[in-house]
Amino acid sequence: QLVESGGGLVPPGGSLRLSCAASGFSLSTHNINWVRQAPGRGLDWISYINSGSNAIYYADSVKGRFTISRDNARNSVSLQMNNLRTEDTALYYCAGTVGSRTLLYWGRGTQVTVSS
Amino acid sequence: DIQMTQSPSSVSASVGDRVTITCRASQGINDYLAWYQQKPGEAPKLLIYSASSLQSGVPFRFSGSKSGTEFTLTISGLQPEDVATYYCQKYNSAPFTFGPGTRVDVK
Repeated sequence: QLVESGGGLVPPGGSLRLSCAASGFSLSTHNINWVRQAPGRGLDWISYINSGSNAIYYADSVKGRFTISRDNARNSVSLQMNNLRTEDTALYYCAGTVGSRTLLYWGRGTQVTVSS
Repeated sequence: DIQMTQSPSSVSASVGDRVTITCRASQGINDYLAWYQQKPGEAPKLLIYSASSLQSGVPFRFSGSKSGTEFTLTISGLQPEDVATYYCQKYNSAPFTFGPGTRVDVK
């Protein structure tokens, strides 16, 4: 139900923009999170935006480098990632639900690899 | 920030056994605790929210409870399809931290 895109291979210091799109429903009513998982590691919450875009939060590890936003006209939520580091290498999931901070709906993830 | 810990880090049990996983928050988070199941190669799946509410469609052998800042996920009657890693997550306030995970295997 959620589909991520925009991942790829980027050198350290580079930028990527991830997108989370919804299939068959409106994302504008959903609170959306980005969660990442490095190879063989656990889940790492990194960012949240509520349906009204008036509550936005980041993990300390990405604060000042990543920016979450939503485009209701395109029915999508984006994660702009700047000044990427090797430790940002991971599978990035978008996940969320309506009216709650729990993660009911998940995408399959998009791979981000930061390497020279 | 509030830290989330889980124990054990892994458990191996027989089919039909009762399996208990504990998640502890370093400070009070009320009932804002969710449990997720992640099978290899798949996205996580929400099992429990508000510490003890079973998500629709999740088998009744999964249950959650809370005592202070200690939360428990119980699988009553382990099934082969329950082989997965289980994560707790706090969502009372940001950051919405996950626990480190507990891997559950079948003997």
